[in-house]
Amino acid sequence: GAVVSQHPSRVICKSGTSVKIECRSLDFQATTMFWYRQFPKQSLMLMATSNEGSKATYEQGVEKDKFLINHASLTLSTLTVTSAHPEDSSFYICSARSAGIMYGYTFGSGTRLTVV
Amino acid sequence: GDSVTQMEGPVTLSEEAFLTINCTYTATGYPSLFWYVQYPGEGLQLLLKATKADDKGSNKVFEATYRKETTSFHLEKGSVQVSDSAVYFCALGNTDKLIFGTGTRLQVFP
Repeated sequence: GAVVSQHPSRVICKSGTSVKIECRSLDFQATTMFWYRQFPKQSLMLMATSNEGSKATYEQGVEKDKFLINHASLTLSTLTVTSAHPEDSSFYICSARSAGIMYGYTFGSGTRLTVV
Repeated sequence: GDSVTQMEGPVTLSEEAFLTINCTYTATGYPSLFWYVQYPGEGLQLLLKATKADDKGSNKVFEATYRKETTSFHLEKGSVQVSDSAVYFCALGNTDKLIFGTGTRLQVFP
């Protein structure tokens, strides 16, 4: 079945540094990828939607200069948290979808980011 | 706009009890409906889905019926196990995006 690999699973960084999270579709071409943020014991909040080769579409209230999304190929999307601060600490999850599968969303295993 | 409402948890059950987690939705058009499960520290796994009214989504142990008249998609399982302890999310897909409910934590005790 469809598999999405997300890396790293955990990362700790210092305030002011940048962190890159990768999301790869391993056995299918992901025409669309989604990035979510999840706070403890809460639901998933969609941050942005990215289509291969085009700029990401950010949800209202999400700073596009802070959360840089690149979807350069059909199997890879990256989320870079720039100038991270403790309030950016969260669980980030990506999801990938193939155009050939109706609502065939596959989720990565998530990245726990801790900014100290 | 579109939204999903789930019953608040935690839901606490003994092993082999019957499980129901309620989910209702508000949407325009004809959305698809999903149930996902999240184990601690992990991403989401699709449990089942239904794409039109009266469809019964099932993965052989969990099931949910898409009821347009009551705008509901309640999750059921006949006999829960300790290993079912997790957070369950109901979701709606109506364009290109998934809209999630707040999640319901299930705790099953031996």
